[in-house]
Amino acid sequence: EAGVAQSPRYKIIEKRQSVAFWCNPISGHATLYWYQQILGQGPKLLIQFQNNGVVDDSQLPKDRFSAERLKGVDSTLKIQPAKLEDSAVYLCASSSVAGGLNEQFFGPGTRLTVL
Amino acid sequence: SQQGEEDPQALSIQEGENATMNCSYKTSINNLQWYRQNSGRGLVHLILIRSNEREKHSGRLRVTLDTSKKSSSLLITASRAADTASYFCATPRGSARQLTFGSGTQLTVLP
Repeated sequence: EAGVAQSPRYKIIEKRQSVAFWCNPISGHATLYWYQQILGQGPKLLIQFQNNGVVDDSQLPKDRFSAERLKGVDSTLKIQPAKLEDSAVYLCASSSVAGGLNEQFFGPGTRLTVL
Repeated sequence: SQQGEEDPQALSIQEGENATMNCSYKTSINNLQWYRQNSGRGLVHLILIRSNEREKHSGRLRVTLDTSKKSSSLLITASRAADTASYFCATPRGSARQLTFGSGTQLTVLP
């Protein structure tokens, strides 16, 4: 079974630039998550999708972050414009059951550096 | 705010020794999960223990859950250098049962 795919693996940009990350979840998983993991901390949920609908985006900085999951499969997360504090690893995860009632499968992440 | 907090923040042991990590949480839960993260890689699910379970085993892993104390422990027996990683506990919370992670324990197993 193929795992969660993410690209790119690494990205370096300057502040105020824009960046986009892509995620392809495990086939058949209806629930998709984006997490932000700052160095030395645990992952923090940014947004949760159930199929192509948003379940929770309460911790997503909506003035600069946006995410979509068209057709309920792949998802993209965009930051525009980026700030220095956005430097982090962005993890995508998927699960067959919504929320934290079951295990989540994580991709390798995209390491973003904002200069 | 973090729901789960791991203790200790860092742990260094010799290969073959046992490693114990603890997790405390604040609100009632229906399950608690442990994840491992190797350097530069994504998280891997290790084990899930439900609120009506007190202990669970998976290979060299043993997890306990004490809901009265709102705490859990992860024991890795006969540790190996490959066990070197960060270990996170995670609990569902909120109306959508979002998984909330602690800050992790960095385990180093010396050969």
